[in-house]
Order: sequence, then structure tokens, then C-alpha cells
Amino acid sequence: GQQLNQSPQSMFIQEGEDVSMNCTSSSIFNTWLWYKQDPGEGPVLLIALYKAGELTSNGRLTAQFGITRKDSFLNISASIPSDVGIYFCAGRGSNYKLTFGKGTLLTVNP
Amino acid sequence: DAGVTQSPTHLIKTRGQQVTLRCSPKSGHDTVSWYQQALGQGPQFIFQYYEEEERQRGNFPDRFSGHQFPNYSSELNVNALLLGDSALYLCASSLEWAGTDTQYFGPGTRLTVL
Repeated sequence: GQQLNQSPQSMFIQEGEDVSMNCTSSSIFNTWLWYKQDPGEGPVLLIALYKAGELTSNGRLTAQFGITRKDSFLNISASIPSDVGIYFCAGRGSNYKLTFGKGTLLTVNP
Repeated sequence: DAGVTQSPTHLIKTRGQQVTLRCSPKSGHDTVSWYQQALGQGPQFIFQYYEEEERQRGNFPDRFSGHQFPNYSSELNVNALLLGDSALYLCASSLEWAGTDTQYFGPGTRLTVL
């Protein structure tokens, strides 16, 4: 099935560093979402974006909906150990289906 | 406020068997979507149920079927299981009037097909 292009695949950073990850698609999306998944659990919604150019923050997390509607990025500032996990982007086009990226595995060294 | 719950947590089946997975949506939610997540991959959309009907389907064969009950809970059925059906099956619920983009996921059912 179709998946979004999410990069990087994995990141190893030191506590306190900032993190940036992005997602691109060949299709236009009306909504972009970012989720975090911990081992053995379902994805948890972090940020939802509904308009091209929109920049939204949730604590130390900031995400943007690309102007072309084909990309989005997520930034995490001042990372902490509990930020460890897999981050997924997801997009919705003109139907009800969410299309997910393959995920970015984030490791934070204390 | 109860979140999305799924049962069972884990399941082991053999090829050719049939399986039923269950999902109770977050309190107040009326829409249920099902996803398959293979190891190392993002979730893949199977289908979405609203008002007890399947209204959108992903690229999955007819062996995958579902049902939504009047209380909004849902079942996912998979017939003639294949080894490749081994995955984490996720249920997500949302509220139609609020826009079904904001989907809340359950912890998933880990299905192993031997």
C-alpha cells in the first residue's frame, strides 16, 4: 500500500538537542498529523494540521503544514529521555483514509 | 473517560483459520477505523465504519471484513489466514461531527499466524 516518505529513518541525539523530521508525499493532502508510538502501544496523536502553511505548537513540539500541501515537518526542542519512540506522520486526502509514513525512530542519550 | 480498548491483546492462529478482533471506541466516538501495522512499518488503512456501514476501504482483500454495532463498537474478521497476516491490528476511533481526522488509537491486537 501507499506510504509517505518520512525521513530520517532513525536519529540518535543527546538530551537537550533539538530534533527535526519531515514527511513528503506525491499526493496533495488536506490534513497532516503527527503521532508518537511507544513499544507495545498504539500511536498517540501529537499535532494535527488543517491548513497549508499552518504552524502549530504543542509544548516543545512544533509542526508545519507545507505550502504545497505535499509535505510537513515536526521539530522537537530541548529533547528529553521520554521523547524516545517512533514518530509517524500521516496525511488525509479527499477521503476518510489516513496514509502513514514508515516512521522515525528517535533515541535520546541522557 | 475510557480510551479505545481492544481485545484480545495477543492471538496465535494457524494458516487457514479465521480470527475475530474486537474494538470499543473512546466514549462518545461514533466512527471506527481499522489498521494493520507490520513490523517496522507504519499503519496501513484497512477500512472505516460509520453508522454501522463500511464507508471506505483500503487495499485489502475480501478476506478482511468488519462490522459495527449500534453501540459503535466494532469487529474485524479475517478469514483463511496467511502467514503474511501476522501484524499488529490497530483500531482508531473518532467523532464524525468533529472531523474524523483526529483519530485516537487503541493499544492493538498482536496477531501471529503460524
